[in-house]
Amino acid sequence: EAGVTQFPSHSVIEKGQTVTLRCDPISGHDNLYWYRRVMGKEIKFLLHFVKESKQDESGMPNNRFLAERTGGTYSTLKVQPAELEDSGVYFCASSHGSVTEAFFGQGTRLTVV
Amino acid sequence: AQSVSQHNHHVILSEAASLELGCNYSYGGTVNLFWYVQYPGQHLQLLLKYFSGDPLVKGIKGFEAEFIKSKFSFNLRKPSVQWSDTAEYFCAVYSGGGADGLTFGKGTHLIIQP
Repeated sequence: EAGVTQFPSHSVIEKGQTVTLRCDPISGHDNLYWYRRVMGKEIKFLLHFVKESKQDESGMPNNRFLAERTGGTYSTLKVQPAELEDSGVYFCASSHGSVTEAFFGQGTRLTVV
Repeated sequence: AQSVSQHNHHVILSEAASLELGCNYSYGGTVNLFWYVQYPGQHLQLLLKYFSGDPLVKGIKGFEAEFIKSKFSFNLRKPSVQWSDTAEYFCAVYSGGGADGLTFGKGTHLIIQP
């Protein structure tokens, strides 16, 4: 069974540019979560999809971040325009049921210069 | 809001040494507790978890953790570490209230020297 896959594994962009991160969850998992880890800090919850609907987006830092999950399959997280403080590792996780049963991807390391 | 505190950000040990990584959480209600590990270049994976029952939980790769409710702690242990245990370790908690996601600590970077 394929795990949670994230693309790209690394991205370096300039301040002000746009970046789109992608997450492919485990097939059949309705729940999809995005997290972010800024260097030296905790991994923080960003948002939770149930199928294509946003169940909880309380952790999204500001309106420069837009998450979508069209069709309830893969998800994208767009940062536009990127700022220096957006640098970090973005993790995606998916689960069939509760978040306590979630599987994580390897993360996308985003560097904004 | 709940929080998770991991006491050591960097730990360096020699092979065969014993390991204990500290984790404390702030939430006073019922919690689910987790330890995750991320090996270099790999995905974040679950080492072990505690939901209820026996407070001593055994996980993969010889790791175990003990839930001590009175101390709000969930420390990770391994009696004898190997070079392959070099990784970053994260403690996390889920309380079922508030945000849908897990609350993580800052992580502990463990380096095992051959």
